[in-house]
Order: sequence, then C-alpha cells, then structure tokens
Amino acid sequence: SQQGEEDPQALSIQEGENATMNCSYKTSINNLQWYRQNSGRGLVHLILIRSNEREKHSGRLRVTLDTSKKSSSLLITASRAADTASYFCATDPRMDSSYKLIFGSGTRLLVRP
Amino acid sequence: DTGVSQDPRHKITKRGQNVTFRCDPISEHNRLYWYRQTLGQGPEFLTYFQNEAQLEKSRLLSDRFSAERPKGSFSTLEIQRTEQGDSAMYLCASSRPGTVSSGANVLTFGAGSRLTVL
Repeated sequence: SQQGEEDPQALSIQEGENATMNCSYKTSINNLQWYRQNSGRGLVHLILIRSNEREKHSGRLRVTLDTSKKSSSLLITASRAADTASYFCATDPRMDSSYKLIFGSGTRLLVRP
Repeated sequence: DTGVSQDPRHKITKRGQNVTFRCDPISEHNRLYWYRQTLGQGPEFLTYFQNEAQLEKSRLLSDRFSAERPKGSFSTLEIQRTEQGDSAMYLCASSRPGTVSSGANVLTFGAGSRLTVL
C-alpha cells in the first residue's frame, strides 16, 4: 500500500518558474524523504527531513514538514528543463524498527523551455 | 563500485514462464530492498534484507515470488508462473549500515528491471 499522496499528479511550468509539490501521509513518521525519477530510470534521493525539523534547504530545493497536518511540500526554485521528472515523497513509518520506506504516487513535473 | 546494478534491464516472457532478476548492491551497504513499480505509480515495497536475513515481506509478495540474498551480497528475485499482472518495473535499492538518525535508510536505487509478460 502507498502511504503518501502527492498533489498535483502532474504539473507543467515554464523554465524559470518555481514548482511546488505537496505530499500527505497517514501515519507517524521518523523522517520524510523526496526522490526524483527520470523516465524509465531508478530513483535518486534528493533530500531528507526529520520529524523534528520544519524546513530544510538544499541548493534550489526547499522542503517543509508539518507533522500536525501530516504533510510536506517540495519547492524547486528557478526551474530548468532538466528538472523534468517525476518526484516522489517517501516516509519512514517507524513501525517495528523497520527500515523500509513507503512511497507516494508521485508528481510528474514538466518544465517547458 | 559505482552503484546498484540490476540485470537484466529488460525481460520479455510468456505467461507461465519463470523469470529471475539479479541485484548487486553497493558493496558496503548491508540492507537491500526490492520494490515494484507500475506505470504512473510510485514504487511499492516488496521485501528487504539486512545482510542475508529477509526481515520483512509485503503481502504483495505472493507465493509465486521468492527473494534470496544467500551471502549477504547480491540478491535474486524470482517470479514463478508469471502472469500478465506481473508486468512492471522491478527496482532494487540498498542502504548503508547505521541508524535511521544517521541516514541509514536513505536508499540508492538501481536502474530497474522491466518485465513484460505476454
């Protein structure tokens, strides 16, 4: 089963604009991660935010986490055509000391040149 | 060692045949994961190993699926009597030792093995 739901499912923006993707989840978490996937390829880890953190930055990426609302957002600033990909949130549900991650359904981002 | 390797990258088979996928993780990583991904969806967890021990299996992993990691290094995922519904991308990932607080559940993925069952 998938714990996270991303919103929107698809997003099309012009190069240079900012892209915001949202993720909602259901259970308590230890941390939340964002991954990127280019078409037909494996996923690449972008950023991790712990449950006691509210905001984190990495280059053009900004992630926020609101554990009271069980939601997170990923902001990509000054987007480039090369940012075109699918973006997934993944939660560590912290059950039984499991190290698995549960992925959401993803947001497909298209950045038009 | 440049990353997680999966083989084959593509497999086309007829319904009812058996298929096996192999995953070679990053050498210093002790955890290995298998996920399945269908078109337009996120990866679904199948199973994971810590060293050679299979610690967790999803209910998605029916009795036609079996995964092994005999020496705690590479892993195989076998699907017996394939069905058209098994068509998907099978993703392998690995993660390094340590605790969650040290980022030990950050996954490094392979490029995937795409299965098409005719």
